[in-house]
This record gives sequence, structure tokens and C-alpha cells, in this order.
Amino acid sequence: ETGVTQSPTHLIKTRGQQVTLRCSSQSGHNTVSWYQQALGQGPQFIFQYYREEENGRGNFPPRFSGLQFPNYSSELNVNALELDDSALYLCASSLPQDEKLFFGSGTQLSVL
Amino acid sequence: AQSVTQPDIHITVSEGASLELRCNYSYGATPYLFWYVQSPGQGLQLLLKYFSGDTLVQGIKGFEAEFKRSQSSFNLRKPSVHWSDAAEYFCAVATYSGGGADGLTFGKGTHLIIQP
Repeated sequence: ETGVTQSPTHLIKTRGQQVTLRCSSQSGHNTVSWYQQALGQGPQFIFQYYREEENGRGNFPPRFSGLQFPNYSSELNVNALELDDSALYLCASSLPQDEKLFFGSGTQLSVL
Repeated sequence: AQSVTQPDIHITVSEGASLELRCNYSYGATPYLFWYVQSPGQGLQLLLKYFSGDTLVQGIKGFEAEFKRSQSSFNLRKPSVHWSDAAEYFCAVATYSGGGADGLTFGKGTHLIIQP
């Protein structure tokens, strides 16, 4: 059984740029969630995708968007990067309504 | 909206000593409660969860937690810590079992340091 993998592991961008982060779900998991973890904070829920549709969203602006593909892999896109977007971005996959989330190791994004 | 408070930012415990990490939540109905652990450079791993029933729940790695509705608490305990337990611990609450459309709401975490 393969785990959740995220790429890249580290990324440096400048303010105003756009970024795409990628996530491959645990085998058989068709639900994926994205979280933002700022330094010294707990993860914050960005959104969740199920069957290629966004079915839940936290308190994040529309410049945070996502995609889920038929193979259940997922992307997180962030437009017009701001300095405060610097954080660890975590992807988690699960089965629908299953309490166990499997987290990837995250992508560390630095915005300069 | 639900919220989670972890009062202790850092806790230092000697190896072999007992451990208790505190968690208080705010939620109007019966919550789904979780404890996750995050080691450096790693993602979060689920230690245990509470949904209903027995208020004392057992998890992996020898951890347990007790749900106390009257105190809105879900404290994590371990009788004897090992150096490998050094990590960041997060308490989380959800309105649905898997987070659902609202996701999990996490506390800010407690950094556990193990002294030899």
C-alpha cells in the first residue's frame, strides 16, 4: 500500500507569482483534503475534494484553488502569492466519511 | 464554530516518566476528537480518536486519552515516555468523522521534549 506523496518538498517563490503543489493519494482513497500549517501553528483546513468536486472549504480566499483528477491525485494552486502564504502545505487522503486521514509529509513553500 | 486550545506550548518530560498533554475544545454538540503526532519533516499521524461510547480511548504507541464532557477536555496520556516520543502533538476536533466538508480544526500544538 503506497502512502500519500507530495511534490515538491520545498519551493521558493516571489510575491505575486503563482504556484502549483501536487499530491498523490493513498491507494484506493477518493477524498483529498489540503491544509496550511504556518510556522508554530496547527494545520488549517483549506478545502476538500471528493469525486473531482470541491465539497468543503475553510476560510481561504478564492486565489486558493484546487483540482482532483480521475486517479484521485490532486493539485493545490495559489495565485498572487503573498508573504503570509509561506507555510507547510499538507495533503491528506481518506475514504469518504472515514475518520482516518493519511497525511503526506508536506510541501514547504517560502514566499520572498 | 468549533475551536481547540492546547494550553502548553512546550512540555519537558524525563524518559520513563508519565505524560499528560492537555486539550480543551469548544463545540456545541458532541464532537469528534483526535490526537495527531508530527515528527520533524513528517506528516501527521493519527494516534487515537473519540467519537462516542467509552470515554477512555486507547491509541497506538501506548497512548490513551480521556474525554470529559463536563470539562470540554480530551487530554492525552502515556504512562512511560520514550525518547522516540519527542515530537509535536496536535489535538483536533471535527463535526464529521473524517472532517467532512468542514475539515478538522487543530490546536496550535504542544512540543514534547524528552530529557534523558
